[in-house]
Amino acid sequence: ETGVTQTPRHLVMGMTNKKSLKCEQHLGHNAMYWYKQSAKKPLELMFVYSLEERVENNSVPSRFSPECPNSSHLFLHLHTLQPEDSALYLCASSQGTVGLTEKLFFGSGTQLSVL
Amino acid sequence: DQQVKQNSPSLSVQEGRISILNCDYTNSMFDYFLWYKKYPAEGPTFLISISSIKDKNEDGRFTVFLNKSAKHLSLHIVPSQPGDSAVYFCAARGPYGGSQGNLIFGKGTKLSVKP
Repeated sequence: ETGVTQTPRHLVMGMTNKKSLKCEQHLGHNAMYWYKQSAKKPLELMFVYSLEERVENNSVPSRFSPECPNSSHLFLHLHTLQPEDSALYLCASSQGTVGLTEKLFFGSGTQLSVL
Repeated sequence: DQQVKQNSPSLSVQEGRISILNCDYTNSMFDYFLWYKKYPAEGPTFLISISSIKDKNEDGRFTVFLNKSAKHLSLHIVPSQPGDSAVYFCAARGPYGGSQGNLIFGKGTKLSVKP
């Protein structure tokens, strides 16, 4: 069992669809993150959850809605996305103090294509 | 405005030689720096880190050098192996508190090590 597991690995969706990305960490960490990696751009931090509480929301459009039901699971709910939202979405976890990120452990990501 | 810059999108090195990957940053408040490696279809994995109180950190074939006055760090891989072929991301973090404590990533440098 890998440390951080993301499903699905690939997702193709239309602009009117609703879908969800799932992330599960088996490391006992207390913080979880969503990052977006677009072509030729740095990894962009989207959301941070610490002990199931959202502590960071980096001006992400409301068509992306995160959910963290417990410290091991993180979801990203998607609805009415745009083609420019096509990217690799990476989940990560870490063990550290809120506001002082220690090294991150990433999942393999979900490659999302919005048609 | 990018706070962490990796100006070389790609680097090609012969097996057995040294690979030097460079990273520049603009925020003088950054006090912790990390390198991640990413293979295709996998998430980034932590490689090595360095605190701003040091100027060098070594782990096997990997050495990170930090030049605070120049706001520059570099990753040296000696000797380079074909299995080192991957995208390398530089990341930086500010001191404790709020969004400063989150990791800021560069765009990455694709390293190709030729046999």
